[in-house]
Amino acid sequence: GESVGLHLPTLSVQEGDNSIINCAYSNSASDYFIWYKQESGKGPQFIIDIRSNMDKRQGQRVTVLLNKTVKHLSLQIAATQPGDSAVYFCAENGFSGGYNKLIFGAGTRLAVHP
Amino acid sequence: KAGVTQTPRYLIKTRGQQVTLSCSPISGHRSVSWYQQTPGQGLQFLFEYFSETQRNKGNFPGRFSGRQFSNSRSEMNVSTLELGDSALYLCASSLAGRNSDPGGYTFGSGTRLTVV
Repeated sequence: GESVGLHLPTLSVQEGDNSIINCAYSNSASDYFIWYKQESGKGPQFIIDIRSNMDKRQGQRVTVLLNKTVKHLSLQIAATQPGDSAVYFCAENGFSGGYNKLIFGAGTRLAVHP
Repeated sequence: KAGVTQTPRYLIKTRGQQVTLSCSPISGHRSVSWYQQTPGQGLQFLFEYFSETQRNKGNFPGRFSGRQFSNSRSEMNVSTLELGDSALYLCASSLAGRNSDPGGYTFGSGTRLTVV
């Protein structure tokens, strides 16, 4: 499949461990954040989102934490599975003229080892 | 329901040529956004169309253009191709009205463009 990013930071974890992927965003005015998962040969797939009036949001096996003070976002994946191996992107909603525009982070490659 | 469909899946063009990529959104979605993905620059926003009108544009040269038809299908065109235009071009569709949640964006699998 296509290479999403040749020089992305890589997080290697053992199957069953918890994974934490971090992201710094740029615009303190951003009010909406999203995590996407991209597998080889596919487009980004929505995982979980969070509004700026929240600090934490949980989904199935995933939790997103937002620290507005330091403009930091993290994605926690519980009991990581081989199928979680992919590139993960955070995105912030960069409003432009009132309309939505996603600004993506550089991405982190998650490698899950058996 | 059918997802976002992008055609063609792969494309090889020669420097100086032009190319047109197509995106069919999810039925009922009126917003289509285009992104360029490269290893060096990551995912970068190109433009967004809603009800046949471009309402947002990224920082790309005028060689990159797009349009949207009345059925919400969208095309993007790149003229006078350069080697640096080689990338995965992704489109995303959503219901999105003004200032609505962009979490409803659904991405297609992209068109891999190679310029030689």
